[in-house]
Amino acid sequence: EAQVTQNPRYLITVTGKKLTVTCSQNMNHEYMSWYRQDPGLGLRQIYYSMNVEVTDKGDVPEGYKVSRKEKRNFPLILESPSPNQTSLYFCASSLLDTQYFGPGTRLTVL
Amino acid sequence: QQQVKQSPQSLIVQKGGISIINCAYENTAFDYFPWYQQFPGKGPALLIAIRPDVSEKKEGRFTISFNKSAKQFSLHIMDSQPGDSATYFCAASMGNTGNQFYFGTGTSLTVIP
Repeated sequence: EAQVTQNPRYLITVTGKKLTVTCSQNMNHEYMSWYRQDPGLGLRQIYYSMNVEVTDKGDVPEGYKVSRKEKRNFPLILESPSPNQTSLYFCASSLLDTQYFGPGTRLTVL
Repeated sequence: QQQVKQSPQSLIVQKGGISIINCAYENTAFDYFPWYQQFPGKGPALLIAIRPDVSEKKEGRFTISFNKSAKQFSLHIMDSQPGDSATYFCAASMGNTGNQFYFGTGTSLTVIP
């Protein structure tokens, strides 16, 4: 089954404790993205990647890092999480314009 | 600054009625305008999309109307059903930016039986 998977689905952590949210797709898509969804703000793109080793900042990249060492994986790294990064995070992959979203990761930073 | 402005924030429609959600943009370089549907606890899923070379696109009960001169586009859901109750997002992107997307703030649609 073609899909985008994210782990973990739920995470509660404390300020400053480094964490990684993994994202993997099995559709051989070149493009991958990370978004955060907040009430009243919609979806905002954090980072996107056009291919292996090629990444670029989206609208809200501050406080986040990404890497794309393999085509299928695109992890999101929070080196020092803060409470304002509490949000619902989505990974997406696409071949052309159609994006396929993962199920989401709900992150709470205390 | 919100690149894509969406309204209304919430919408309640009777079963069988027409649901209309509107979006506006400023950047004339945008050349792809998708609508996504999101059910609670799920990721958004592409519903329908349009490019600026056409003024309307219809897929079943869902229609996008596009007004290039006004820089506006809208989603019309005909014969709305309770199963259409979801959050809808409009979005825009530029073809040469490697998949950079700008989303609206979302519309929560409730269709009452």
